Amino acid sequence: SSELTQDPAVSVVLGQTIRITCQGDSLRNHYASWYQQKPGQAPLLVVYGKNNRPLGIPDRFSGSNSENTASLTITGAQAEDEGDYHCNSRDSGVSVFGPGTTVTVL
Amino acid sequence: QVQLQESGPRLVKPSETLSLTCTVLGGSMTHYSWSWIRQPPGKRLEWIASISDTGITNHNPSLRSRVTISLDMSKNQFSLRLTSVTAADTAVFYCAREVPAGAKTYYNDWGQGTLVTVSS
Repeated sequence: SSELTQDPAVSVVLGQTIRITCQGDSLRNHYASWYQQKPGQAPLLVVYGKNNRPLGIPDRFSGSNSENTASLTITGAQAEDEGDYHCNSRDSGVSVFGPGTTVTVL
Repeated sequence: QVQLQESGPRLVKPSETLSLTCTVLGGSMTHYSWSWIRQPPGKRLEWIASISDTGITNHNPSLRSRVTISLDMSKNQFSLRLTSVTAADTAVFYCAREVPAGAKTYYNDWGQGTLVTVSS
């Protein structure tokens, strides 16, 4: 199956570390990419590949991969990190998104 | 950084065809693939289709029979046609630039999205 699963929601205390996970068989053969989405806005790429960040994305965002699980870690979460986080992968040319994880910063 | 702009009707009647165009501003379409992705209200992102700069297409199997994606590099545009729409096709439609990088492929630029409502 090419389906990706994510926890629906997680919360983190301001300044603490949070890890969001994404699981699916396609992750055994394709790295996840991660997208932050705020209400009414388009998704924004935050991490891709083994652990790469686009220009302008803070280094508190990092990614890791193991077997069928990809993780996005926010080290020292800030208030502006609130939003939905979507993972994406591919399986035989078909692009698949996870359901998204809503991150709340307390 | 390239900018992408979706355009097209915001309201489509059931059973009719939804047509959208994405204009790519500030960059070449060469060496990238171009995708349509949608997000129904309150739901997950759903990839619809993509087209490479050489015209090779890939489609979401669940939508393949209703979707046509095309590319016009002379106009720096690519387009989507979705036939026989129903209320379930109501969504924000995004166009996105895909960086083809093997097992690291990702979307590095997105349009702002356009809400298309299917209703009579």
